[in-house]
Amino acid sequence: SAVISQKPSRDICQRGTSLTIQCQVDSQVTMMFWYRQQPGQSLTLIATANQGSEATYESGFVIDKFPISRPNLTFSTLTVSNMSPEDSSIYLCSFGGITDTQYFGPGTRLTVL
Amino acid sequence: AQTVTQSQPEMSVQEAETVTLSCTYDTSENNYYLFWYKQPPSRQMILVIRQEAYKQQNATENRFSVNFQKAAKSFSLKISDSQLGDTAMYFCAFIGTGANSKLTFGKGITLSVRP
Repeated sequence: SAVISQKPSRDICQRGTSLTIQCQVDSQVTMMFWYRQQPGQSLTLIATANQGSEATYESGFVIDKFPISRPNLTFSTLTVSNMSPEDSSIYLCSFGGITDTQYFGPGTRLTVL
Repeated sequence: AQTVTQSQPEMSVQEAETVTLSCTYDTSENNYYLFWYKQPPSRQMILVIRQEAYKQQNATENRFSVNFQKAAKSFSLKISDSQLGDTAMYFCAFIGTGANSKLTFGKGITLSVRP
């Protein structure tokens, strides 16, 4: 199966700043997804990254806070904007068909001070 | 809306023994997919096993097998011959086959394998 990587693996950021997380797949995939995993919690879908169109956001997540880019079929970025300590989480990207298995990246551990 | 319930927050098992992790789900769909994912301390989400709802036969992957009871909406994971490397959080997940289906996770269970 395809290999998926994320950068950075972890970061410590100051309140009010922004961080962009990159997700790279080594083959072309149709669907890419971004999830948030708050400490000790399960995964929550932030948005579906659509190639060639705007991302589709889930309830409770907005584009101004979590802008997403999907410039091609192998790459996506998620930006966490104007960060606060409540944004401290693991952010994971995944790929797969809508009704098929999703494979996850190694995650980005974000700490906001 | 679909829900996935993992009612056991944590479990412990002796190395080489067998353990079963429980999961129930709720859906009105007839066809869907169920998954177990493993998340070790490295935080990488690793697919353990996958079950298609239209298949009656329980999925098996080496030491991992499921007991899929469609009528009861139950999907438990059995780990045989537990190994220290099985220590991780395990998440049960569901996805339907509709156009807007999204992967829904349970809260997870922390499994500790004792030497």
